[in-house]
Amino acid sequence: DAKTTQPPSMDCAEGRAANLPCNHSTISGNEYVYWYRQIHSQGPQYIIHGLKNNETNEMASLIITEDRKSSTLILPHATLRDTAVYYCIVLRRSASKIIFGSGTRLSIRP
Amino acid sequence: EAGVTQSPTHLIKTRGQQATLRCSPISGHTSVYWYQQALGLGLQFLLWYDEGEERNRGNFPPRFSGRQFPNYSSELNVNALELEDSALYLCASSRTDYTGELFFGEGSRLTVL
Repeated sequence: DAKTTQPPSMDCAEGRAANLPCNHSTISGNEYVYWYRQIHSQGPQYIIHGLKNNETNEMASLIITEDRKSSTLILPHATLRDTAVYYCIVLRRSASKIIFGSGTRLSIRP
Repeated sequence: EAGVTQSPTHLIKTRGQQATLRCSPISGHTSVYWYQQALGLGLQFLLWYDEGEERNRGNFPPRFSGRQFPNYSSELNVNALELEDSALYLCASSRTDYTGELFFGEGSRLTVL
């Protein structure tokens, strides 16, 4: 599975959009981009995934560049409850294991 | 719909003892994953079970083992406990063909004294 690179930390003002970047320059054609988050001491939570088209659900939007080498997770109106570690993972749909890297620690400031 | 449930929530053991952790997946999910998360560290992949078989294993010694039952629930056994086994053990489940979409339980915190 392709490796990903994320900034170790970011912060965002409450109510503003939080844009979390992820680089995955070695992604292959059958690999999806998945995003998870882990709020302190809880189990990770699946957020969204995509292949090449932009995706949106009730939690977030996922923007994937045309060359698929990078993506951005957008939380449109960040709240204090969005403070968490966000993981970007690239893998095939039926991957045999999911490796979580170190992710981005997002802090939302009041 | 019930989520992934894990038991016990907390477990305290002493060095050399054995610990057994249990996980019930979401109804309809046949895959169960186990992860270890030591305090302040990342998630380390332990085991993947699907349809009752061990499909993949992380870089952990053989004293970490488990099984999956016919109802797809799973248990993780850790033998000969060491102090560094103290961690949050997380279970997740998924459909077999959508193994990227994991649904996690709240975890079992194991403390080894």
